[in-house]
Amino acid sequence: DTAVSQTPKYLVTQMGNDKSIKCEQNLGHDTMYWYKQDSKKFLKIMFSYNNKELIINETVPNRFSPKSPDKAHLNLHINSLELGDSAVYFCASSQAGGASPLHFGNGTRLTVT
Amino acid sequence: DQQVKQNSPSLSVQEGRISILNCDYTNSMFDYFLWYKKYPAEGPTFLISISSIKDKNEDGRFTVFLNKSAKHLSLHIVPSQPGDSAVYFCAARSVGTYKYIFGTGTRLKVLA
Repeated sequence: DTAVSQTPKYLVTQMGNDKSIKCEQNLGHDTMYWYKQDSKKFLKIMFSYNNKELIINETVPNRFSPKSPDKAHLNLHINSLELGDSAVYFCASSQAGGASPLHFGNGTRLTVT
Repeated sequence: DQQVKQNSPSLSVQEGRISILNCDYTNSMFDYFLWYKKYPAEGPTFLISISSIKDKNEDGRFTVFLNKSAKHLSLHIVPSQPGDSAVYFCAARSVGTYKYIFGTGTRLKVLA
């Protein structure tokens, strides 16, 4: 009964390809996030959805497109992959308002060759 | 512009002693602060949090202290155990926002 699960755990692909990462949470939270951990280990926010509405869209190339079909799911599609996209991508969820921590998935390590 | 900073990239402590991890922030609008622990190949795990109306919060071996005037928070782990060896991230969120901003992490090694 994993709280935040994302698939796949590892993704190896070539430059120029399109790939998707899926995320699901069973915590009943209304807000979901994508974070990127780069080679320097910084955790940077990319996107957030609250009740299927995009509320945070950081300075991310428009090759990255999040999609939230419902409150429990947030997927990340990446077009025309580049070498610099190699990183670990973490999905997270929280309940909006008040003192609600983020709960993270175990990450997807994306390697672009 | 790094709004949340952890200036010590690593820390080594003997088992049984106290571990103190530090975090500084620049944004006075932050009202909620959190600490996470991360093992390799896993996602960050929530440890403990504190809201800006408090200056201390305790949960078992973990205590977080907040000094708003200094814009500083710290995590104390007493006693430290080898299983505490991990990377620790502090994070902060501003009033009325959904954005959690993370520090750069401190790698803690607890020596047996």
